[in-house]
Amino acid sequence: AIRMTQSPSSFSASTGDRVTITCRASQGISSDLAWYQQKPGKAPKLLIFAASTLQNGVPSRFSGSGSGTDFTLTINWLQSEDFATYYCQQYYKYPRTFGQGTKVEV
Amino acid sequence: QVQLVESGGGVVQPGRSLRLSCAASGFTFRSYGMHWVRQAPGKGLEWVAVKWYDGSNEYYADSVKGRFTISRESSKNTLYLQMNSLRADDTAVYYCARDSLPNSSGWPLDYWGQGTLVTVSS
Repeated sequence: AIRMTQSPSSFSASTGDRVTITCRASQGISSDLAWYQQKPGKAPKLLIFAASTLQNGVPSRFSGSGSGTDFTLTINWLQSEDFATYYCQQYYKYPRTFGQGTKVEV
Repeated sequence: QVQLVESGGGVVQPGRSLRLSCAASGFTFRSYGMHWVRQAPGKGLEWVAVKWYDGSNEYYADSVKGRFTISRESSKNTLYLQMNSLRADDTAVYYCARDSLPNSSGWPLDYWGQGTLVTVSS
């Protein structure tokens, strides 16, 4: 199975910060990567697919980049509602695999 | 609007079986691949299984292969997960989720249910 490794696992940030989360795949996955946001007690929400395409309704302060094995999620001007856990997921090959998550805390 | 509602969770003893259901509405169920994803308490997301939109293929995580079976009944707009030989490490919230593009495979998950909790304990 393809292993997805996110970094960091967690970190503290403040409203207005620019935040960058990285995700590395153990083998090339082209651009078949999605980012999800999850808040406590809630289901995950799709933010970005195809590595850099914003899902409908997702604020433009979110952006994604990368291809092959290295990917990045960036949040510009962090808002209070952005404090959550973020997961990357490859959908290049089955079994689909998630990263371990990155918790963005106040 | 798209809705996915899971049911069937509960407390079950190790080695026993349980069947989860996911009732879908608001979209053409037979046109979308459907997945199960789980999350152990305080842990990350783990993809479990998929059933393709046309039922032609299904895939499983190594951790559940041979014990879990995914199925779908288009006449009832319902996805199932039959879980046998349950173990303590199967304890998790189980979500059903939909592929984001119809009549295809290999896409991310755009709609998720609220989840149903399965606790495996003696």
